[in-house]
Amino acid sequence: DAGVTQSPTHLIKTRGQQVTLRCSPKSGHDTVSWYQQALGQGPQFIFQYYEEEERQRGNFPDRFSGHQFPNYSSELNVNALLLGDSALYLCASSWDRSNTEAFFGQGTRLTVV
Amino acid sequence: AQSVTQLGSHVSVSEGALVLLRCNYSSSVPPYLFWYVQYPNQGLQLLLKYTSAATLVKGINGFEAEFKKSETSFHLTKPSAHMSDAAEYFCAVSVPSGGSYIPTFGRGTSLIVHP
Repeated sequence: DAGVTQSPTHLIKTRGQQVTLRCSPKSGHDTVSWYQQALGQGPQFIFQYYEEEERQRGNFPDRFSGHQFPNYSSELNVNALLLGDSALYLCASSWDRSNTEAFFGQGTRLTVV
Repeated sequence: AQSVTQLGSHVSVSEGALVLLRCNYSSSVPPYLFWYVQYPNQGLQLLLKYTSAATLVKGINGFEAEFKKSETSFHLTKPSAHMSDAAEYFCAVSVPSGGSYIPTFGRGTSLIVHP
């Protein structure tokens, strides 16, 4: 079992650009959550997807959007990038929405210049 | 809304010494509580969790934590530190909301282990 896989591992973008990050959940998991972890901070919840719909959303602007595919994989899209969007973006998957057994990927390090 | 406070952004111990990482939470309803570990350039790994069963929870790598409702605490301990324990540790609290449990994380505590 490959666990949760995220791609790419590192990414450099320019202010104003758009970015798409990808996540494949652990086998058997159908719920995917995304988190933003700024340097020196704990992860902050962005949103959760279940049955291809956004179920919960944290305090993030509409520039942050996502998608879940029928195979449970997920994408995080960020439009109009700001310098403050530079962070480690973590994907976590679980077999239910309780997140009591959430598994995290290694993250995508996004740098906005 | 729930919140987590981790006391001490850095904790330094000698190898073989007791590890104590402090976590206090606030929640208006009975919470789930978690401790995660993060090694450099890695994602988070679940160490242990409290989900309203036994108040003393044992996790991986010799770590354990005790849920104390009266003190709203969930401190993480390990009797004897190992060099490989050096990492960032995050406490998290989650409560039910709209059919989901969404964790709120603390700011983290960096554990430094000296030889």
